[in-house]
Parts: sequence; C-alpha cells; structure tokens
Amino acid sequence: EAGVAQSPRYKIIEKRQSVAFWCNPISGHATLYWYQQILGQGPKLLIQFQNNGVVDDSQLPKDRFSAERLKGVDSTLKIQPAKLEDSAVYLCASSLTGTSGNTIYFGEGSWLTVV
Amino acid sequence: AQSVTQLDSQVPVFEEAPVELRCNYSSSVSVYLFWYVQYPNQGLQLLLKYLSGSTLVKGINGFEAEFNKSQTSFHLRKPSVHISDTAEYFCAVTEKTSYDKVIFGPGTSLSVIP
Repeated sequence: EAGVAQSPRYKIIEKRQSVAFWCNPISGHATLYWYQQILGQGPKLLIQFQNNGVVDDSQLPKDRFSAERLKGVDSTLKIQPAKLEDSAVYLCASSLTGTSGNTIYFGEGSWLTVV
Repeated sequence: AQSVTQLDSQVPVFEEAPVELRCNYSSSVSVYLFWYVQYPNQGLQLLLKYLSGSTLVKGINGFEAEFNKSQTSFHLRKPSVHISDTAEYFCAVTEKTSYDKVIFGPGTSLSVIP
C-alpha cells in the first residue's frame, strides 16, 4: 500500500517569497492533516480536512498560509510571503476517518529553509 | 483544550538497559493516547495507542505503555533497548469529540549508548 506522498522534499527560498507544498494521502483516507514541525519541537497542527471541508484551522496563520483540498484527495499548502520563522518541516498526514482514534500516517515531510 | 507534557527532553541510556519515557496529558474529557517514533530524516510512525480496555498497551519493537487515568499519564517503557531505538519519541493525545484533533508533545530524544 502506498504511503503519504509529499513534494518537494526540500526547498530553500528567500524571505517574502512564496512556496507551495503538495500532498497525496493514502487512498481512501478521508482525513488529511498538515503539521508544522520546527527543529527540536513536536508537530503543531496547522489545518485538518475531513474530505474537502476544513474541520480545524485554528492555528493556521491565515494572513500568510493557505491550504486547499480539492475533490477531497490531494492537498496543497501555500505560504506567501514567507518569513524566517517559517523555516520548518511541513508534515502531511492522513487517517481513515478522523474519528475513533484512527492511526495517523505521516509522509516524510517537506523541509523548508527561509533565508 | 488538550495538552501534552513530556518532562524529559533528552534521555541517554546504555544498550540493553531499561528505559522509561514520561508523558502526562491534560484534558477535561475522555481521550485517546498515542506514542509515535521519528527516526532521523524520516516521518513519524505509530508505536502504540490506547483507545479503551486494558491499560497496558503493547506496541512494535518491544515497547509498551501504561495508561493511568488518575495520574493522567501514559509512560512508555522498554525492558532492554537497542542501538536502533535511538530516535525522537512523541506522545500525542486526542479528545473523544466529533473529530480527532491530535495534539503532540514536544518530544523526547532517546540516545542509546553502546
């Protein structure tokens, strides 16, 4: 079974530039998550989708971050304009239903460095 | 809202020695609890989870954890560690609400010394 796919794996951009990350969840998984993991910290939930609807985006900096999940499958996370503090690993994850303690499966992450 | 505390940021331990990684959570409702492991340059993967029933949960690679509701803890243990267990370990909690919002702790870095 294919896992969660993410691209690009690595990206270096200058501050005030824009960047987009793509995620393809495990086939059939209704719930998709984007987490931000800053070096030395635990993953922080940015946004959670149930199919193509948003169920939680309370910690998403909406002035610069946006995310969409068209047709309830793939998702993109965009940052514009980027700040130095956005340097982190962006983890995409998916689970079967998003309820009842389903296991969350993670991709390998997209590493962002803002210089 | 739920939260997770992992008191030890770094735990060094000699190979074949036992280890315990501590996790405490805060929540006003019933929860599900998880331990995830992150090997260097890899994504997170599930070690074990507690949903209900027996408070002692066994996971992969010889790890186990015990849920203690009165102490709001979910400590991870292994009786004998191996070099390959060197990794970052994250405790996570989700409240039993209409959807699973999984909150992660800050992580514990386990270093196994040969």
